[in-house]
Amino acid sequence: GENVEQHPSTLSVQEGDSAVIKCTYSDSASNYFPWYKQELGKRPQLIIDIRSNVGEKKDQRIAVTLNKTAKHFSLHITETQPEDSAVYFCAATSGGSYIPTFGRGTSLIVHP
Amino acid sequence: EPEVTQTPSHQVTQMGQEVILRCVPISNHLYFYWYRQILGQKVEFLVSFYNNEISEKSEIFDDQFSVERPDGSNFTLKIRSTKLEDSAMYFCASSEGPRSDRGLFFGEGSRLTVL
Repeated sequence: GENVEQHPSTLSVQEGDSAVIKCTYSDSASNYFPWYKQELGKRPQLIIDIRSNVGEKKDQRIAVTLNKTAKHFSLHITETQPEDSAVYFCAATSGGSYIPTFGRGTSLIVHP
Repeated sequence: EPEVTQTPSHQVTQMGQEVILRCVPISNHLYFYWYRQILGQKVEFLVSFYNNEISEKSEIFDDQFSVERPDGSNFTLKIRSTKLEDSAMYFCASSEGPRSDRGLFFGEGSRLTVL
């Protein structure tokens, strides 16, 4: 089955800095990569996703990149704000399944 | 926006007891899921449910676990004879379709503590 590794486990940045979270996956057939954000005490929510037919996708301050050859994908947050503080989960969905396999999560702390 | 709701938010039980975790998926969603997260570890897939039957399950989902949709709205996870290692946050999720562009919609989780 799919295995997703996520780094770092904790990321602390100053407000205004950029944050990058990296994930790797094992199944070359995986073709859908969502990212979820979970604020403290709340539910995980989809914030952005990317499919294997594109290499990059942007939505305002958030971008995801995908390197299929290396089997890794990353989340980039620019101009971080305190409200970006949360746990971020990456996931990969194999072509043979529609079930996302999640990474361990990254706790992002943005200091004002 | 519609939400997935889960009850209870926290349950404490004695080892060996049975636990039922309840979920109300979003009404027009067709696919339902249970995930769990042991503290500090990955969010792990347990089972998916479609058309009133299990569509996929992981190795974790053994005979100790069962799911059902008893009344067309609730989606339950039953854990028989709980063990200490069952202590975790259990997330229910639903989606419109198998590869919905809107992803999975999660509930806020049910924290299970087995003593």
